[in-house]
Amino acid sequence: EAQVTQNPRYLITVTGKKLTVTCSQNMNHEYMSWYRQDPGLGLRQIYYSMNVEVTDKGDVPEGYKVSRKEKRNFPLILESPSPNQTSLYFCASSSPSPVGYEQYFGPGTRLTVT
Amino acid sequence: DQQVKQNSPSLSVQEGRISILNCDYTNSMFDYFLWYKKYPAEGPTFLISISSIKDKNEDGRFTVFLNKSAKHLSLHIVPSQPGDSAVYFCAASDAGNQFYFGTGTSLTVIP
Repeated sequence: EAQVTQNPRYLITVTGKKLTVTCSQNMNHEYMSWYRQDPGLGLRQIYYSMNVEVTDKGDVPEGYKVSRKEKRNFPLILESPSPNQTSLYFCASSSPSPVGYEQYFGPGTRLTVT
Repeated sequence: DQQVKQNSPSLSVQEGRISILNCDYTNSMFDYFLWYKKYPAEGPTFLISISSIKDKNEDGRFTVFLNKSAKHLSLHIVPSQPGDSAVYFCAASDAGNQFYFGTGTSLTVIP
């Protein structure tokens, strides 16, 4: 089954404790991206990657790091989480279609930083 | 600064009637627009898209209209069904690199 998986699905952590949220896709997609969803703000893009070893900042990259060493994986790293990073995070992947880029989203990771 | 705006946080329609969801954008460089549907506790799922060279795209009960001069797009669902009840996000992209999403409209279809 074609899918994007994220782990963990739920995470409660404390300020300053480094964490990684993993994202993996099995569709051989070149493009992968991370978003956060907050009430009243919709989805905002954190980082995206056009292919292996190619990453770029989205709209809200501060406080986050990413890496793309393999095509299927795109982990999101919070080196020193802060309470304002409490959010619902989504990973997505896509490949070019005749129309454009139709992204497939993972189920989300709800992160709480206390 | 929100480049894609959905000014209606919620919308209720009767089953069988038309649902119209609206979206406005500010960046004239956007060339690709999408609509996603999101159920609680799930990730968004792709619904329909349109490129800036077209003004209409249909897929079954779903039609997206693009008015470039007004920087406005809309999603029409006809006929609306209870299973359409979800949060709908519009999104825009410039050349498929960065994506900008609206804040979402919660649609409730009343049986």
